[in-house]
Amino acid sequence: AQSVTQPDIHITVSEGASLELRCNYSYGATPYLFWYVQSPGQGLQLLLKYFSGDTLVQGIKGFEAEFKRSQSSFNLRKPSVHWSDAAEYFCAVGIISNFGNEKLTFGTGTRLTIIP
Amino acid sequence: AAGVIQSPRHLIKEKRETATLKCYPIPRHDTVYWYQQGPGQDPQFLISFYEKMQSDKGSIPDRFSAQQFSDYHSELNMSSLELGDSALYFCASSTGASGNTIYFGEGSWLTVV
Repeated sequence: AQSVTQPDIHITVSEGASLELRCNYSYGATPYLFWYVQSPGQGLQLLLKYFSGDTLVQGIKGFEAEFKRSQSSFNLRKPSVHWSDAAEYFCAVGIISNFGNEKLTFGTGTRLTIIP
Repeated sequence: AAGVIQSPRHLIKEKRETATLKCYPIPRHDTVYWYQQGPGQDPQFLISFYEKMQSDKGSIPDRFSAQQFSDYHSELNMSSLELGDSALYFCASSTGASGNTIYFGEGSWLTVV
């Protein structure tokens, strides 16, 4: 069965420092991979997605992620974080249903705290 | 740009009552998904609809039902509410084709007291 693992429950980073959030997946076929961000009490906003092609994916708000098939990973990175990046980050894998569309299986999330 | 609209945003119900959540997908999106996110939890897939037919089913309790209407909006009906049903319920939509982005609404907060 498909699964997504986010090993870090909580990460604290200084403002201006670089960031890497880890994500590992388990899926039998070529995965569709996503990163979503959720601010407290808010909905899920898509940061970026990987379907195929270039394994380095650029997203919104200066985020990028790299798909590494050999490591079954899709880590999220940002070179310099801002205080507004403090939020919960979810990695997800898209599973194709019988109708050809997909549903998302999420990891447990990583809470990012930014310190001045 | 239009987003996924959910209503109500907040709902308080007593145990054993019934609640209905509504979802209006992005225009021209034919697929709707429902997710449940408990406090401190990741979103869990409940059910999805494609062209008004149920396309997939996840961990949705038998007390819950959902449907997609001719105008593509969807409703999630929850009966015999339990304290454990308190959660943030997300609706999401997409065009249905594999690989297309799934867009989420802001969610509906259900509190069962």
